[in-house]
Amino acid sequence: ILNVEQSPQSLHVQEGDSTNFTCSFPSSNFYALHWYRWETAKSPEALFVMTLNGDEKKKGRISATLNTKEGYSYLYIKGSQPEDSATYLCAHNTGTASKLTFGTGTRLQVTL
Amino acid sequence: DAGVTQSPTHLIKTRGQQVTLRCSPKSGHDTVSWYQQALGQGPQFIFQYYEEEERQRGNFPDRFSGHQFPNYSSELNVNALLLGDSALYLCASSLNPYNEQFFGPGTRLTVL
Repeated sequence: ILNVEQSPQSLHVQEGDSTNFTCSFPSSNFYALHWYRWETAKSPEALFVMTLNGDEKKKGRISATLNTKEGYSYLYIKGSQPEDSATYLCAHNTGTASKLTFGTGTRLQVTL
Repeated sequence: DAGVTQSPTHLIKTRGQQVTLRCSPKSGHDTVSWYQQALGQGPQFIFQYYEEEERQRGNFPDRFSGHQFPNYSSELNVNALLLGDSALYLCASSLNPYNEQFFGPGTRLTVL
Protein backbone atom coordinates (compact mmCIF):
# COMPACT_ATOMS: atom_id res chain seq x y z
CA ILE A 1 0.00 0.00 0.00
CA LEU A 2 1.46 3.35 -1.07
CA ASN A 3 -1.52 5.56 -0.35
CA VAL A 4 -4.42 5.66 2.07
CA GLU A 5 -7.33 3.65 0.74
CA GLN A 6 -10.84 3.38 2.13
CA SER A 7 -13.60 0.91 1.41
CA PRO A 8 -16.38 0.80 0.62
CA GLN A 9 -16.73 4.10 -1.23
CA SER A 10 -20.33 4.39 -0.12
CA LEU A 11 -22.75 2.46 2.02
CA HIS A 12 -26.50 2.57 2.49
CA VAL A 13 -27.89 0.89 5.63
CA GLN A 14 -31.15 0.77 7.53
CA GLU A 15 -31.59 2.31 10.98
CA GLY A 16 -30.45 -0.18 13.62
CA ASP A 17 -27.96 -1.98 11.35
CA SER A 18 -24.36 -2.27 12.45
CA THR A 19 -21.70 -1.51 9.90
CA ASN A 20 -17.96 -1.20 9.46
CA PHE A 21 -15.49 0.46 7.10
CA THR A 22 -11.86 -0.21 6.31
CA CYS A 23 -8.88 2.10 6.01
CA SER A 24 -5.59 0.78 4.61
CA PHE A 25 -2.37 2.77 4.89
CA PRO A 26 1.38 2.37 4.40
CA SER A 27 2.75 0.55 7.44
CA SER A 28 6.30 1.92 7.22
CA ASN A 29 7.34 4.82 9.48
CA PHE A 30 3.87 4.93 11.03
CA TYR A 31 3.08 7.76 13.48
CA ALA A 32 -0.72 8.06 13.82
CA LEU A 33 -4.03 7.17 12.19
CA HIS A 34 -6.92 9.61 12.39
CA TRP A 35 -10.64 9.09 11.82
CA TYR A 36 -12.88 12.05 11.00
CA ARG A 37 -16.64 12.32 10.60
CA TRP A 38 -17.75 14.91 8.04
CA GLU A 39 -21.33 16.02 7.66
CA THR A 40 -22.29 18.07 4.61
CA ALA A 41 -21.68 21.83 5.02
CA LYS A 42 -19.93 21.32 8.37
CA SER A 43 -16.31 20.99 9.53
CA PRO A 44 -14.73 17.54 9.62
CA GLU A 45 -15.00 16.37 13.23
CA ALA A 46 -12.19 14.36 14.79
CA LEU A 47 -13.39 10.97 16.07
CA PHE A 48 -10.19 9.12 17.01
CA VAL A 49 -6.42 9.49 16.92
CA MET A 50 -4.72 6.13 17.19
CA THR A 51 -1.03 5.52 17.58
CA LEU A 52 -0.35 2.07 19.04
CA ASN A 53 -0.64 -1.28 17.30
CA GLY A 54 -3.66 -3.10 18.69
CA ASP A 55 -5.27 0.15 19.88
CA GLU A 56 -9.04 0.05 20.28
CA LYS A 57 -10.98 3.25 20.90
CA LYS A 58 -14.67 3.81 21.53
CA LYS A 59 -16.96 6.83 21.49
CA GLY A 60 -20.58 5.93 22.17
CA ARG A 61 -21.73 3.57 19.41
CA ILE A 62 -18.61 4.13 17.31
CA SER A 63 -15.38 2.23 17.82
CA ALA A 64 -12.14 1.76 15.92
CA THR A 65 -9.25 -0.69 15.85
CA LEU A 66 -5.71 -0.33 14.56
CA ASN A 67 -3.18 -2.77 13.11
CA THR A 68 0.03 -0.90 12.29
CA LYS A 69 2.00 -4.01 11.28
CA GLU A 70 -0.33 -4.84 8.39
CA GLY A 71 -1.48 -1.25 7.83
CA TYR A 72 -5.22 -1.21 8.40
CA SER A 73 -7.86 0.24 10.69
CA TYR A 74 -11.55 -0.61 11.04
CA LEU A 75 -14.30 1.77 12.08
CA TYR A 76 -17.45 0.17 13.50
CA ILE A 77 -20.85 1.75 14.05
CA LYS A 78 -23.27 -0.22 16.20
CA GLY A 79 -27.00 0.32 15.71
CA SER A 80 -26.73 3.00 13.01
CA GLN A 81 -28.97 6.05 13.34
CA PRO A 82 -29.94 8.62 10.67
CA GLU A 83 -27.70 11.18 12.40
CA ASP A 84 -24.71 8.90 11.64
CA SER A 85 -25.15 9.77 7.96
CA ALA A 86 -21.89 11.44 6.95
CA THR A 87 -18.62 10.86 5.15
CA TYR A 88 -16.04 9.07 7.28
CA LEU A 89 -12.46 9.97 6.44
CA CYS A 90 -9.29 8.35 7.63
CA ALA A 91 -5.90 10.03 7.49
CA HIS A 92 -2.40 8.89 8.25
CA ASN A 93 0.80 10.67 9.15
CA THR A 94 4.31 9.33 9.41
CA GLY A 95 7.04 9.96 11.93
CA THR A 96 8.83 12.31 9.58
CA ALA A 97 5.82 14.33 8.42
CA SER A 98 3.09 16.02 10.37
CA LYS A 99 0.94 16.43 7.25
CA LEU A 100 -2.15 14.23 7.05
CA THR A 101 -2.61 11.98 4.02
CA PHE A 102 -6.30 11.28 3.55
CA GLY A 103 -8.28 8.54 1.92
CA THR A 104 -11.24 9.43 -0.28
CA GLY A 105 -13.72 8.59 2.46
CA THR A 106 -16.68 6.29 2.96
CA ARG A 107 -20.05 7.94 2.48
CA LEU A 108 -22.64 6.44 4.86
CA GLN A 109 -26.37 6.92 4.39
CA VAL A 110 -28.67 5.64 7.16
CA THR A 111 -32.37 5.51 6.39
CA LEU A 112 -35.40 4.81 8.58
CA ASP B 1 -14.37 28.83 21.85
CA ALA B 2 -15.24 29.64 18.22
CA GLY B 3 -13.18 26.79 16.82
CA VAL B 4 -11.43 27.16 13.48
CA THR B 5 -13.03 29.80 11.28
CA GLN B 6 -12.51 30.46 7.59
CA SER B 7 -13.50 33.27 5.29
CA PRO B 8 -15.06 33.71 2.89
CA THR B 9 -17.46 30.77 2.73
CA HIS B 10 -17.76 30.86 -1.05
CA LEU B 11 -15.82 32.64 -3.74
CA ILE B 12 -16.13 32.87 -7.52
CA LYS B 13 -13.14 33.99 -9.59
CA THR B 14 -12.13 33.88 -13.24
CA ARG B 15 -9.06 32.26 -14.75
CA GLY B 16 -5.88 34.27 -14.27
CA GLN B 17 -7.10 36.10 -11.20
CA GLN B 18 -5.60 35.91 -7.74
CA VAL B 19 -7.38 34.88 -4.54
CA THR B 20 -6.72 35.11 -0.79
CA LEU B 21 -8.38 32.80 1.71
CA ARG B 22 -8.24 33.38 5.45
CA CYS B 23 -8.14 31.14 8.50
CA SER B 24 -8.33 31.84 12.23
CA PRO B 25 -7.12 28.93 14.35
CA LYS B 26 -8.71 27.52 17.46
CA SER B 27 -7.76 29.45 20.60
CA GLY B 28 -4.35 28.35 21.88
CA HIS B 29 -3.29 26.68 18.62
CA ASP B 30 -0.09 27.86 16.95
CA THR B 31 0.01 25.64 13.85
CA VAL B 32 -2.11 26.00 10.72
CA SER B 33 -2.31 23.51 7.86
CA TRP B 34 -4.09 24.00 4.52
CA TYR B 35 -5.71 21.28 2.43
CA GLN B 36 -7.42 21.23 -0.97
CA GLN B 37 -10.32 18.90 -1.61
CA ALA B 38 -11.20 18.51 -5.26
CA LEU B 39 -14.39 16.74 -6.29
CA GLY B 40 -14.30 13.01 -5.58
CA GLN B 41 -10.99 13.12 -3.74
CA GLY B 42 -9.83 13.23 -0.16
CA PRO B 43 -8.25 16.43 1.15
CA GLN B 44 -4.73 16.98 -0.22
CA PHE B 45 -2.09 18.69 1.92
CA ILE B 46 -0.91 22.06 0.59
CA PHE B 47 1.36 23.37 3.35
CA GLN B 48 1.72 23.90 7.07
CA TYR B 49 2.71 27.04 8.98
CA TYR B 50 4.30 27.09 12.42
CA GLU B 51 5.99 30.02 14.12
CA GLU B 52 5.17 32.18 11.08
CA GLU B 53 7.18 29.96 8.73
CA GLU B 54 6.23 27.37 6.14
CA ARG B 55 7.27 24.18 7.87
CA GLN B 56 6.20 21.60 5.33
CA ARG B 57 4.83 21.68 1.80
CA GLY B 58 2.85 19.26 -0.32
CA ASN B 59 3.00 18.75 -4.07
CA PHE B 60 1.52 22.08 -5.14
CA PRO B 61 3.03 24.65 -7.54
CA ASP B 62 4.54 27.94 -6.43
CA ARG B 63 1.30 29.68 -7.43
CA PHE B 64 0.12 28.54 -4.00
CA SER B 65 1.65 30.58 -1.22
CA GLY B 66 0.78 31.39 2.34
CA HIS B 67 1.48 33.44 5.36
CA GLN B 68 1.06 33.14 9.10
CA PHE B 69 0.65 36.21 11.27
CA PRO B 70 1.90 36.77 14.85
CA ASN B 71 -1.60 35.98 16.15
CA TYR B 72 -1.29 32.58 14.36
CA SER B 73 -4.02 33.34 11.81
CA SER B 74 -3.10 32.41 8.27
CA GLU B 75 -3.75 33.25 4.64
CA LEU B 76 -3.61 31.07 1.55
CA ASN B 77 -2.91 32.90 -1.71
CA VAL B 78 -3.34 31.42 -5.15
CA ASN B 79 -2.07 33.33 -8.19
CA ALA B 80 -2.92 32.89 -11.88
CA LEU B 81 -6.00 30.80 -11.11
CA LEU B 82 -6.74 27.78 -13.29
CA LEU B 83 -10.05 26.00 -13.74
CA GLY B 84 -8.51 23.04 -11.90
CA ASP B 85 -8.07 25.15 -8.76
CA SER B 86 -11.82 24.94 -8.19
CA ALA B 87 -12.14 23.04 -4.93
CA LEU B 88 -12.98 23.22 -1.24
CA TYR B 89 -10.05 24.66 0.71
CA LEU B 90 -9.82 23.47 4.30
CA CYS B 91 -7.79 24.98 7.09
CA ALA B 92 -6.83 23.00 10.18
CA SER B 93 -5.17 24.14 13.38
CA SER B 94 -3.31 22.24 16.07
CA LEU B 95 -1.46 22.83 19.34
CA ASN B 96 1.81 22.04 17.58
CA PRO B 97 2.75 20.47 14.23
CA TYR B 98 2.28 16.89 15.46
CA ASN B 99 -0.85 17.35 17.53
CA GLU B 100 -4.43 16.54 16.53
CA GLN B 101 -5.73 18.79 13.76
CA PHE B 102 -9.07 20.56 14.05
CA PHE B 103 -10.72 21.66 10.83
CA GLY B 104 -12.70 24.67 9.75
CA PRO B 105 -15.76 24.41 7.47
CA GLY B 106 -13.77 25.34 4.37
CA THR B 107 -13.94 27.91 1.58
CA ARG B 108 -15.54 26.80 -1.67
CA LEU B 109 -13.61 28.34 -4.59
CA THR B 110 -15.08 28.26 -8.08
CA VAL B 111 -12.90 29.34 -11.00
CA LEU B 112 -14.77 30.17 -14.22
